[in-house]
Amino acid sequence: GAVVSQHPSRVICKSGTSVKIECRSLDFQATTMFWYRQFPKQSLMLMATSNEGSKATYEQGVEKDKFLINHASLTLSTLTVASAHPEDSSFYICSARDGGADTQYFGPGTRLTVL
Amino acid sequence: KQEVTQIPAALSVPEGENLVLNCSFTDSAIYNLQWFRQDPGKGLTSLLLIQSSQREQTSGRLNASLDKSSGRSTLYIAASQPGDSATYLCAVSNTGNQFYFGTGTSLTVIP
Repeated sequence: GAVVSQHPSRVICKSGTSVKIECRSLDFQATTMFWYRQFPKQSLMLMATSNEGSKATYEQGVEKDKFLINHASLTLSTLTVASAHPEDSSFYICSARDGGADTQYFGPGTRLTVL
Repeated sequence: KQEVTQIPAALSVPEGENLVLNCSFTDSAIYNLQWFRQDPGKGLTSLLLIQSSQREQTSGRLNASLDKSSGRSTLYIAASQPGDSATYLCAVSNTGNQFYFGTGTSLTVIP
């Protein structure tokens, strides 16, 4: 079946560092990708919707200047956490929509720990 | 805005028991509903996807039902096993794009 990968799977960084997370659709083209985050013992919350070739749409309360999203190709979206702080520590999960199959697939997630 | 609620928040059952997890949602105009499994510190594993036109889906020991008019879905697990221990998430999509997730039911199956 379709696979969505994320890289890295885990990252630990110092406060103030910028961190880039990649989300790739491996065997289908994804015109739309979604970024979610999950704080400990909470459910997933949508951060932003990423459309190939256009600006991302951010959910209320998500700082677009802090969480930079680039969807430069039909198989890759990146989320950059700019100047990460401890409160940004979370589990970040992407999903990709396969328009041809009208199905959405989730990546395995990236655990970010900011010291 | 769609709100998804899952009850119970936690459930502990002895091995072999059948169990039901509940999910309710506030906006019945959904596109589809999906049940996921999440192991601690891991990503999501899709279990069952129910389109808005469907009433139920089955996969092995799992059966998910959907009642759009009442805004409810149930996930039935037959003959539970310790390996079924995980958090089960219900997620609803209104458009086929973003999903709204419930807070999950943490299941423990005791050997």
